[in-house]
Amino acid sequence: EAGVAQSPRYKIIEKRQSVAFWCNPISGHATLYWYQQILGQGPKLLIQFQNNGVVDDSQLPKDRFSAERLKGVDSTLKIQPAKLEDSAVYLCASSGQGAKDEQYFGPGTRLTVT
Amino acid sequence: GNSVTQMEGPVTLSEEAFLTINCTYTATGYPSLFWYVQYPGEGLQLLLKATKADDKGSNKGFEATYRKETTSFHLEKGSVQVSDSAVYFCALTSGTYKYIFGTGTRLKVLA
Repeated sequence: EAGVAQSPRYKIIEKRQSVAFWCNPISGHATLYWYQQILGQGPKLLIQFQNNGVVDDSQLPKDRFSAERLKGVDSTLKIQPAKLEDSAVYLCASSGQGAKDEQYFGPGTRLTVT
Repeated sequence: GNSVTQMEGPVTLSEEAFLTINCTYTATGYPSLFWYVQYPGEGLQLLLKATKADDKGSNKGFEATYRKETTSFHLEKGSVQVSDSAVYFCALTSGTYKYIFGTGTRLKVLA
């Protein structure tokens, strides 16, 4: 079974530029999550999708971050414009049908904003 | 609300030493509990899980027992190896598809 795929793995941009990250979850997983992980900290949930609907985006900085999950499969997270404090690893995860099932994580995208 | 508290790191051990990383939680109902491991430059990987009280999760020599009476899920390993050096995260979910993670404990094992 293929795992959660993310791209790119690394990205370096200047502040005020825009960037987009892509995630393909495990086939059949209805729930998809985007997390931000700053160096030395645990993952912080940015947004959670159930199929193609948003369940929780309470910690998403909506003035600069946006995310979509068209057709309930792939998802894209965008930052525009980027700030220095957005430098972090962006993790995508998915989980199966059971409400208490484990999450499966992708390798992450390391973003550096200069 | 739900929360997870982990012991702060870093934890530095010699190879073959005994490992304990403490994790306690606060949750309504009967959450599922997890330990994830993150190796340098990688995403989080599920290490083990337990879904009900008194369950013991185990994998790769690591164990953790779901203790409802003490609301704990401590991670243990009898003999650590250099390859176990990583960051370990305790996490829970209460059945709402939302996951709560601890802050992580960095383990460094010296040869």
